[in-house]
Amino acid sequence: EAQVTQNPRYLITVTGKKLTVTCSQNMNHEYMSWYRQDPGLGLRQIYYSMNVEATDKGDVPEGYKVSRKEKRNFPLILESPSPNQTSLYFCASSLIKGSDEQFFGPGTRLTVL
Amino acid sequence: GQNIDQPTEMTATEGAIVQINCTYQTSGFNGLFWYQQHAGEAPTFLSYNVLDGLEEKGRFSSFLSRSKGYSYLLLKELQMKDSASYLCAVFYNTNAGKSTFGDGTTLTVKP
Repeated sequence: EAQVTQNPRYLITVTGKKLTVTCSQNMNHEYMSWYRQDPGLGLRQIYYSMNVEATDKGDVPEGYKVSRKEKRNFPLILESPSPNQTSLYFCASSLIKGSDEQFFGPGTRLTVL
Repeated sequence: GQNIDQPTEMTATEGAIVQINCTYQTSGFNGLFWYQQHAGEAPTFLSYNVLDGLEEKGRFSSFLSRSKGYSYLLLKELQMKDSASYLCAVFYNTNAGKSTFGDGTTLTVKP
């Protein structure tokens, strides 16, 4: 089944404890992206990747890192999480570029205490 | 930034027609998406407009006017399951990877 998977789906952590949210797609898509969604707001783009070893900042990259060492995986790293990073996170992928239809993962609900 | 405006909430009756509007800055426009998102779930693709005009797909249609920076999503024969948030998203040709989403319109369908 073609899909985007994220792990974990739910995470409660404490300020300053490094964490990684994994994202994987099995559709051989070149483009991948991370978004966060806060109550009453739409999606805000954190980072995106046009292909392996090609990443770039979205609108809200502060406090986050990403890597794209292989096409299928695009992990989101929070080196020192803070409470303002409590949010719902979505990973998405599309065939070639961001303006192709994006397929979204199920979301990761992160709480930073 | 490139502001995208859409109404926060709308209410409609089952079986009726509803139009959700979206306005955006026109400079550098590349294409516009509509996504549907049920509460607590991931967004799912509805439509993509890059040229002016109406794109019809079953009960859902999407319209684009590039010169006016305006789009709408038209939902016909509303069903209870259409209660969801509808997100307008724009890509600008300054960078094919960067997207801007509106805050979403929460549609409530009542019996």
